[in-house]
Amino acid sequence: KAGVTQTPRYLIKTRGQQVTLSCSPISGHRSVSWYQQTPGQGLQFLFEYFSETQRNKGNFPGRFSGRQFSNSRSEMNVSTLELGDSALYLCASSLTGLATNTGELFFGEGSRLTVL
Amino acid sequence: GQQVMQIPQYQHVQEGEDFTTYCNSSTTLSNIQWYKQRPGGHPVFLIQLVKSGEVKKQKRLTFQFGEAKKNSSLHITATQTTDVGTYFCAGPFNAGNNRKLIWGLGTSLAVNP
Repeated sequence: KAGVTQTPRYLIKTRGQQVTLSCSPISGHRSVSWYQQTPGQGLQFLFEYFSETQRNKGNFPGRFSGRQFSNSRSEMNVSTLELGDSALYLCASSLTGLATNTGELFFGEGSRLTVL
Repeated sequence: GQQVMQIPQYQHVQEGEDFTTYCNSSTTLSNIQWYKQRPGGHPVFLIQLVKSGEVKKQKRLTFQFGEAKKNSSLHITATQTTDVGTYFCAGPFNAGNNRKLIWGLGTSLAVNP
C-alpha cells in the first residue's frame, strides 16, 4: 500500500510570497494533520482535517491555512512568508485521527521550505 | 500552558549500553504515542499507550505509561547503531472542542560502535 506523499520535497521562497504544499494520504485514511518541524521548536501541530472539515487547530496565525478535498488529499497554504517560516512541513495521515485513542500517525517525507 | 517536557535532550552511549528517555506532561493524558525519527527522515510510529501503568515491550524497547497518566518512558536495552535517531513522545490535549497533539522536543540518541 502506498505511503503518504508530499510535494514538493524542497522549495525556496522569498519573504512576502505565498506557498502551497500538498499531501496525499494513505488510501482509506480520512484524517490528515500538518506539523511544522524546526530545530528550536520541535514538532508543532498546525491543524487536522477529517472528511474535508478542519477538526482541530494548533496555535499558528491565520497566515497558515489548509483544506482537504473529497479524495482526502490535503493542501496547506502559507501566505506572506516570513523568515521564521523556514521549516520542514510534515503531513501525517491516520484512519481516525486525533478524535480517538487509536490515531497512529503515518508521516510523509516532508516539504522543506526555505524562506530568503 | 499545555506542554510535554522530554529529557534528556541528547544522549551519547557506547553500543551495548542501555538508554532511557523520559516524557512528562503538564496535564493528564488520554494516551501517549512514541515516534522515532532517523537523521534526515520522518517520524515513524513506535507505540501508543492508553492505560494507567501500562508497560509494553517491543524486542529491546520497553515503554511505560505512569499511573497518573502524566509521564512516560522509553527504555532501550543494549543499544545498537540502528537505534540512532531522535525519539519523540506526543500526547493529545483538549481545549473545549479543539484537540491538539503536543510533542516533546525529543531525545537525540547517538551510539558509538
